[in-house]
Amino acid sequence: KQEVTQIPAALSVPEGENLVLNCSFTDSAIYNLQWFRQDPGKGLTSLLLIQSSQREQTSGRLNASLDKSSGRSTLYIAASQPGDSATYLCAVPASNTGKLIFGQGTTLQVKP
Amino acid sequence: GAVVSQHPSRVICKSGTSVKIECRSLDFQATTMFWYRQFPKQSLMLMATSNEGSKATYEQGVEKDKFLINHASLTLSTLTVTSAHPEDSSFYICSAPGQGGYEQYFGPGTRLTVT
Repeated sequence: KQEVTQIPAALSVPEGENLVLNCSFTDSAIYNLQWFRQDPGKGLTSLLLIQSSQREQTSGRLNASLDKSSGRSTLYIAASQPGDSATYLCAVPASNTGKLIFGQGTTLQVKP
Repeated sequence: GAVVSQHPSRVICKSGTSVKIECRSLDFQATTMFWYRQFPKQSLMLMATSNEGSKATYEQGVEKDKFLINHASLTLSTLTVTSAHPEDSSFYICSAPGQGGYEQYFGPGTRLTVT
């Protein structure tokens, strides 16, 4: 059974710092991995989708990497801003379905 | 990107009543949609898969008679919480796969409070 874990659960950094969020999964046979952002009381915003054949994806200040063999993904945020404060979730599909298995999330606070 | 909407965004109901939540794909068709539940400070847990024109598939431990799902068209799925109780209070979020079926797009969520 696939399990997804995110470390750390919470992170507080000063504005301007570069930071890395970690996501690990137990079954390396994944089709893709998706990173989401969730603001308090809101839905999910898709940030990056990495296909199983890809090693990384970039969007602006965000870079996500994927290492299937080790069951890990990282989300790198460059030059963090207070507006980046949110909960970041990673998720992988359960088999070849659209069902997603989520990690517990990392709650990020960027202090001005 | 694809847009998914939910209605209502917030609802407060009395214990014992039923509440219907709508999930719509606004600019694309979705033969499948997914319903998740999120309790405070927890992650999302899949409740069921909504299939257009056929019965929904429920995850283990989710009562199908309590959480009625209807997917009557290619752009609309509804979740009805029947005989709601305070423990059903939660954040309910739906999602639909985009073109190609890889990326999931989520609605803004519905906050249900049962008093």
